[in-house]
Amino acid sequence: GAVVSQHPSRVICKSGTSVKIECRSLDFQATTMFWYRQFPKKSLMLMATSNEGSKATYEQGVEKDKFLINHASLTLSTLTVTSAHPEDSSFYICSARDDRSGQSSYNEQFFGPGTRLTVL
Amino acid sequence: AQSVTQPDIHITVSEGASLELRCNYSYGATPYLFWYVQSPGQGLQLLLKYFSGDTLVQGIKGFEAEFKRSQSSFNLRKPSVHWSDAAEYFCAVGAGNQFYFGTGTSLTVIP
Repeated sequence: GAVVSQHPSRVICKSGTSVKIECRSLDFQATTMFWYRQFPKKSLMLMATSNEGSKATYEQGVEKDKFLINHASLTLSTLTVTSAHPEDSSFYICSARDDRSGQSSYNEQFFGPGTRLTVL
Repeated sequence: AQSVTQPDIHITVSEGASLELRCNYSYGATPYLFWYVQSPGQGLQLLLKYFSGDTLVQGIKGFEAEFKRSQSSFNLRKPSVHWSDAAEYFCAVGAGNQFYFGTGTSLTVIP
């Protein structure tokens, strides 16, 4: 149980185009999802917290107009990288919190397999 | 503020040798602690987690970790390392609505 998928797993695009990454909780509902970015040989950096039915909360320094997040249902959050540039190339990982979790596991997040974005 | 420290950026061990990866955290309340492993180009795989109870936690792939409140530590151990254990290891603390990750420890296993 508690499986999170991401699509696509890998995407290559031209500079100036927009790219959408999907994050789905496959066997549970997730009111809250998270988007992380990971640079090579670095740790995960939280970009934003995605809340179903409301606006995402972005971390300091993350451009909300650049990284559009939509959490339209309890099982799907999308991250759109708008007008992508080579510096946006990175590994993007989403995670989700199971709404059914009791207090003991409230702080657990289930991670997707990641999406490798390369902007040429 | 919450923080997670993994003092060792890179560790090299011989196959069959024992392993200990260090993790220290700073958090005011009872922490929820996790260890993840990441192979190159892959996502995170949960090795083990600690919420409460027995401070020695068993995980997958023969890993275990011990929570020591007095030392604010949650070190990961394995008695005999296999070549397939070579990867990046992340310690994390779940606090409130967020996760705080350590900077990771890269493990190299030599034959």
